[in-house]
Amino acid sequence: EPEVTQTPSHQVTQMGQEVILRCVPISNHLYFYWYRQILGQKVEFLVSFYNNEISEKSEIFDDQFSVERPDGSNFTLKIRSTKLEDSAMYFCASKYVDANTGELFFGEGSRLTVL
Amino acid sequence: AQSVTQLGSHVSVSEGALVLLRCNYSSSVPPYLFWYVQYPNQGLQLLLKYTTGATLVKGINGFEAEFKKSETSFHLTKPSAHMSDAAEYFCAVSEAPGGYNKLIFGAGTRLAVHP
Repeated sequence: EPEVTQTPSHQVTQMGQEVILRCVPISNHLYFYWYRQILGQKVEFLVSFYNNEISEKSEIFDDQFSVERPDGSNFTLKIRSTKLEDSAMYFCASKYVDANTGELFFGEGSRLTVL
Repeated sequence: AQSVTQLGSHVSVSEGALVLLRCNYSSSVPPYLFWYVQYPNQGLQLLLKYTTGATLVKGINGFEAEFKKSETSFHLTKPSAHMSDAAEYFCAVSEAPGGYNKLIFGAGTRLAVHP
């Protein structure tokens, strides 16, 4: 069964460093998303991406964040200068262009720890 | 704006007992509703979804949920809890499945199952 894959599964970084989280969405999906979950809290929407541009972003997704689809398969989330409060699990998700589902398929997540 | 409220951040049941996890939503348009499950240190897995049609939907692992428009609810139930059901459960709403519409998640309910 096709799945969304994310790397790395866990990254530890120093405050102020740049981090890139990578995702390979399901191959025939066209909508891509990043969510984050701070430990013990709810899953929060960060950004959606379609047709090589951001469709929507939340207030969390400030100038420190960026997304990119550098090739036909990868979808990346970059945090330019990490802060302690960026420590969280980051989930990538993708969605098929099908008006009858609306289901997002999630990856296993990348846990980011900022020291 | 859409929102999801999950009553009870923690629910504890005995093995074999009924599981009832509550979810109420707010949406200005007919909602599409989802339940996702998150096992420890794993990603989000779709349990079931309601889009249109039958208001009682069945999902994986014996779970089901009923969409009640009059009550703006989408409660998740399982007749008999199993130890393996211990996980965090998230209710989510989307305005419509088409386009890049995101899912808005509730705060989650952690289900504990005791022998």
